[in-house]
Amino acid sequence: GAVVSQHPSRVICKSGTSVKIECRSLDFQATTMFWYRQFPKQSLMLMATSNEGSKATYEQGVEKDKFLINHASLTLSTLTVTSAHPEDSSFYICSAREGSQSEAFFGQGTRLTVV
Amino acid sequence: AQSVTQLGSHVSVSEGALVLLRCNYSSSVPPYLFWYVQYPNQGLQLLLKYTTGATLVKGINGFEAEFKKSETSFHLTKPSAHMSDAAEYFCAVSFAFSGGYNKLIFGAGTRLAVHP
Repeated sequence: GAVVSQHPSRVICKSGTSVKIECRSLDFQATTMFWYRQFPKQSLMLMATSNEGSKATYEQGVEKDKFLINHASLTLSTLTVTSAHPEDSSFYICSAREGSQSEAFFGQGTRLTVV
Repeated sequence: AQSVTQLGSHVSVSEGALVLLRCNYSSSVPPYLFWYVQYPNQGLQLLLKYTTGATLVKGINGFEAEFKKSETSFHLTKPSAHMSDAAEYFCAVSFAFSGGYNKLIFGAGTRLAVHP
């Protein structure tokens, strides 16, 4: 299957700083990317959907000013957690698909710890 | 509205025993159904999916699932568990709309433990 790479796999940052997570599709053009958040021992919660060149569509309850999503190219989407706080600590996972008829492939996730 | 219910947050089996992970869905339109596996601190890997056609779907690593519309179920099975099957399993539902796949809605997950 297609490969989606997330970077970094782990990051620790200080409270109040911003952190950027990258999601890349390595062998296909990702017209749509999805960002999920996963709390310990829980399911995945969809945060937002982004289409290349368009503004992201955020799920209800997700702060768009806190979780900035950029999908500027067909192979890269970024999630920036701004002014991070300890409660933002979580596992963040992206997925990407090529075209509306394609299945989505998942990245390996990023463990964010805010201290 | 669509939803997914996974019965049993934890399932424990002996190595070599049958694996059965239960998933029921709710959807007002024909669903697309998926099973994913997640190993610790990793993303999700697709095990199998049902979209249309044959209701018994075979996936990777010896897993299979059967779509039963009358029971609104999509249970995951494997005849003989292996130690390497220990992981978290997620059932997910989506449905086709004019643009293609919609977003995935995940169940709460089932943690499978395999004992020697």
